[in-house]
Amino acid sequence: AQKITQTQPGMFVQEKEAVTLDCTYDTSDPSYGLFWYKQPSSGEMIFLIYQGSYDQQNATEGRYSLNFQKARKSANLVISASQLGDSAMYFCAMREGRGTSYDKVIFGPGTSLSVIP
Amino acid sequence: EPEVTQTPSHQVTQMGQEVILRCVPISNHLYFYWYRQILGQKVEFLVSFYNNEISEKSEIFDDQFSVERPDGSNFTLKIRSTKLEDSAMYFCASRAGSWGYTFGSGTRLTVV
Repeated sequence: AQKITQTQPGMFVQEKEAVTLDCTYDTSDPSYGLFWYKQPSSGEMIFLIYQGSYDQQNATEGRYSLNFQKARKSANLVISASQLGDSAMYFCAMREGRGTSYDKVIFGPGTSLSVIP
Repeated sequence: EPEVTQTPSHQVTQMGQEVILRCVPISNHLYFYWYRQILGQKVEFLVSFYNNEISEKSEIFDDQFSVERPDGSNFTLKIRSTKLEDSAMYFCASRAGSWGYTFGSGTRLTVV
């Protein structure tokens, strides 16, 4: 069964508009973390934002915010004021086994975002 | 800001050859990982390594793969006899404590 679901294989957004990338996850582990990574065409994995399962407030990092709805097991990424440089693949990922030797990150299938001038 | 360094950035090898991918994790990190991303597909966990031994490995990580931390600074992934389907981007990652995952920029392996 898929642990991380990203239902939008491709998204388009107008420059300067906000966009939401969806992510739902499945875990029975009470202690977990959620990440978003950006992968431009050059291939490197760029960390954007992190949300711990016990964090009370939604994470924010500059133009990125994570809309964390624990009961619905969703962790959507919101990018405000899109820029052309935001065009990339975006991966939602979940960390399980937090703090144990089995701690690892599992990735979703990704969403390709294209920003239109 | 500390980085995980991977070398080379791109490696081309002939099918059946052995290849070693190298990673230098962040110096005070204790947990090390390799992930693989076949072109156009999602990133897949291969193996985790702690205290000089494998903590966990995926089904992908068969007898053709091995990892080593030979000198306290490098962390290597060896593929003994490469196949065409091993062509992928390989990411190294390291972690200190409760959440500090850092990924390297990847090595693109092309098997011809």
